[in-house]
Formats: sequence, C-alpha cells, structure tokens
Amino acid sequence: DIQLTQSPSFLSASLGDRVTITCRASQGISSYLVWHQQKPGKAPKLLIYAASTLQSGVPSRFSGSGSGTEFTLTISSLQPEDFATYYCQQFKSYPLTFGGGTKVEIK
Amino acid sequence: EVQLVESGGGLVQPGGSLRLSCAASGFTFTDHYMDWVRQAPGKGLEWVGRIRNKANSYTTEYAASVKGRFTISRDDSKNSLSLQMNSLKTEDTAVYYCGRGQDWGSSRYFDRWGRGTLVTVSS
Repeated sequence: DIQLTQSPSFLSASLGDRVTITCRASQGISSYLVWHQQKPGKAPKLLIYAASTLQSGVPSRFSGSGSGTEFTLTISSLQPEDFATYYCQQFKSYPLTFGGGTKVEIK
Repeated sequence: EVQLVESGGGLVQPGGSLRLSCAASGFTFTDHYMDWVRQAPGKGLEWVGRIRNKANSYTTEYAASVKGRFTISRDDSKNSLSLQMNSLKTEDTAVYYCGRGQDWGSSRYFDRWGRGTLVTVSS
C-alpha cells in the first residue's frame, strides 16, 4: 500500500498568512494526487487534482505542486473560510489512500 | 448540478447488516466509476471501495478492512449506488460518503462527494 505522510498535522496561522502543507508518498505516484478540504460537519471538497490543477470554482489563492513522492498545497493568503482540515489522497494504485490530514486553525 | 445523496445509515448491533444507498443526479451516472469513503468520529478519511462502470464490467475493488464483508453494487437504470455491509464491527462506525470518480490519466479521482450518512455499530 502507498502511505501518504502529511506535515504538519496541525497548523496555527493568521489571516493573510502564506501557508504550505506537505504530503510525502512512500513510493512514486507521478502526479496521481489530489487535495481535499473538509470543514467541520461537512463533506470533503476537491481543491486540486493531478497534483497541480485547480478544480473549477476553487479560488486562485490555492495552488498545488510536486510529482513523484513530494507534493505541496499552498494557500497564498489565508482567508477566514480557509480554516479547515486538508487531506492529500493518491489515486495511482489500490487501495486508494489518504494522508492523515492537516488542521489549519486561527492563531 | 451534480448531487449525491446518501441514505440508509443508523444504529446496528455488532454482527449485523446494513445497506446504504447513494442517489446520483445532475450527471451521466453510467459514465462514472463510483466510490465509498468513510470517516470514523474524529478521525481521517478511509477509502472503502470502488465500482467501475459498465464499460469496465462493473468490477470492484475493496479496502482490506472490509473485503469479504462489504459489497458495492450499482443500478444504472436508477442512477443509484449501494453498499451492503455484513458482519459489522464496532470499528465500522463512521460517516459513509459516496464519491464520483473522474478520469485523469489511467485512473480516476473523487471530484464530488455526498453529504454522508452515519453508521453506528454498537450493542
């Protein structure tokens, strides 16, 4: 199974901050990686697919990069609605797996 | 508008069975793979399984934790996805989400999620 390790698991930041979350895969997955955002009590929402492509309707302050085993999600200027938990997920091979999540909270 | 609406959750005793459904609308259901993902209370996301479309013979994949106990099926005539859960364990307690698979490269990622339905396994 492909393991995904996210860091940090918890992040405290202020409005307007630039935030970067890292996801490392236990083996190469090319660009078969997505990022989801989940707010408390809500379903996840797709932000980025194919490692770096912004899903339609997602604000441009979100960006993704990476390939192979190391990936990043960046929020260029943190907004109030961005406080949530973020998950990376690989779809290169079965079983599909998720990272452990990064909770972004207000400092 | 794409919509996925899960139903069928509830309280069940260990060893019992439950069948979840997901009603899909707003897209051509027959074209898409469909998945189930779950989230235990206060925990992260865990993929449960996938069913491919008719063009790929409706074949299925499962997580090791549910293989042999859970069965995914679909009824394209009703735009409906199902998850039959047997021999339930307390560790199966979770919110269960259905998700739509979207093509990219040689695989598919989830681009839409339902709101989820809660399954509680407890005596």
